[in-house]
Amino acid sequence: QVQLVQSGAEVKEPGASVKVSCKASGYTFTNYYMYWVRQAPGQGLEWMGIINPRDGTTTYAQRFQGRITMTGDKYTSTVYMELSSLRSEDTAVYFCARAVSNHFDCWGQGTLVTVSS
Amino acid sequence: QSALTQPRSVSGSPGQSVTISCIGTSSDVGANSYVSWYQEHPGKAPKLMIYDVSVRPSGVPDRFSGSKSGNTASLTISGLQAEDEADYYCCSYAGSFTWVFGGGTKLTVL
Repeated sequence: QVQLVQSGAEVKEPGASVKVSCKASGYTFTNYYMYWVRQAPGQGLEWMGIINPRDGTTTYAQRFQGRITMTGDKYTSTVYMELSSLRSEDTAVYFCARAVSNHFDCWGQGTLVTVSS
Repeated sequence: QSALTQPRSVSGSPGQSVTISCIGTSSDVGANSYVSWYQEHPGKAPKLMIYDVSVRPSGVPDRFSGSKSGNTASLTISGLQAEDEADYYCCSYAGSFTWVFGGGTKLTVL
């Protein structure tokens, strides 16, 4: 069955970078875009960006422009989301989600990123 | 772009119906038929409940229905059950390969 498995929790200091992975299985990796969404503690969902695993093209939400990089590895069916210049407000659970048309039909389990000195 | 507007909370008794609204703009909700709804239980990943305004994925009970009028989308849950208690989020395509979520609504089953 379709499954997205994300990397484990991270603790980072302010100013550092974090790279979260999302390994897909159960479907043809290059046939579906992948989104990244985050959720700060007690807050709502926030769309961060999208990557086409077939050719690596990306679109990022404006508020993350310049700080976010999404990449994909077709050989390991894995997408990555790297966020730099971390600040305390970036403490959140980060989700990858498979895109089908204009909705997200399968989600990873989430990765908690804590930014603290 | 700004988040879509949802009520912070709604509640209903078992067996009743509740409707959650999702107010956007002519650039997102009003511009297309790509509104989706997600259910999130504490500590779990969101689950797709409705897509393309009113389509239910396989396995989602028909108690869940979606609609849209102008810039406002709605999720209606009829015959409320205890397990429906969760947070619900709307999401809309906003053009130029971008998406926007609502702020979320906490549903309490009394």
